[in-house]
Amino acid sequence: EAQVTQNPRYLITVTGKKLTVTCSQNMNHEYMSWYRQDPGLGLRQIYYSMNVEVTDKGDVPEGYKVSRKEKRNFPLILESPSPNQTSLYFCASSLSGGATDTQYFGPGTRLTVL
Amino acid sequence: QKEVEQDPGPLSVPEGAIVSLNCTYSNSAFQYFMWYRQYSRKGPELLMYTYSSGNKEDGRFTAQVDKSSKYISLFIRDSQPSDSATYLCAMVSLTDYKLSFGAGTTVTVRA
Repeated sequence: EAQVTQNPRYLITVTGKKLTVTCSQNMNHEYMSWYRQDPGLGLRQIYYSMNVEVTDKGDVPEGYKVSRKEKRNFPLILESPSPNQTSLYFCASSLSGGATDTQYFGPGTRLTVL
Repeated sequence: QKEVEQDPGPLSVPEGAIVSLNCTYSNSAFQYFMWYRQYSRKGPELLMYTYSSGNKEDGRFTAQVDKSSKYISLFIRDSQPSDSATYLCAMVSLTDYKLSFGAGTTVTVRA
């Protein structure tokens, strides 16, 4: 089954404790991205990757890191999480990132930073 | 001011009613317009997309784009309880291919 998977689905952590949210897709997509979803603000892009070893900042990159060492994986790293990073996070992928490419979203990771 | 404005609702309608959702935007460079549906505890999934101005119909769903007014709409006819979800509009500019989302409107269809 074609899908985007994320782990963990739920995470509660404390300020400053480094964490990684994994994202994997099995559709051989070149383009992957991370979004955060907050009430009243909709989905905002954090980082995106056009291909292996190519990453770029989205609209809200501060406090986040990403890497793209393999085509299928695109982990999101929070080196020192803070309470304002409490949010619902979605990983997405599409064939090439073109305007008409359908983006496929993962199931989401709900992160709470205390 | 946000590039894409969408009333978050919530919207509650009886089964069989027509659901009307809309978004306004400020960026004239937006050319592709999409509607995503997001069920509770799930990721968004693409429902429909249209290019530039005009209408597009897919079963019970109709998407409309009015570029002169910078206004897009989604209509759901004969709404069903299974249509209960959050609907997000999204738009793409051909200058940077960046996808910009509205805040989403939560819809409940009562049986």
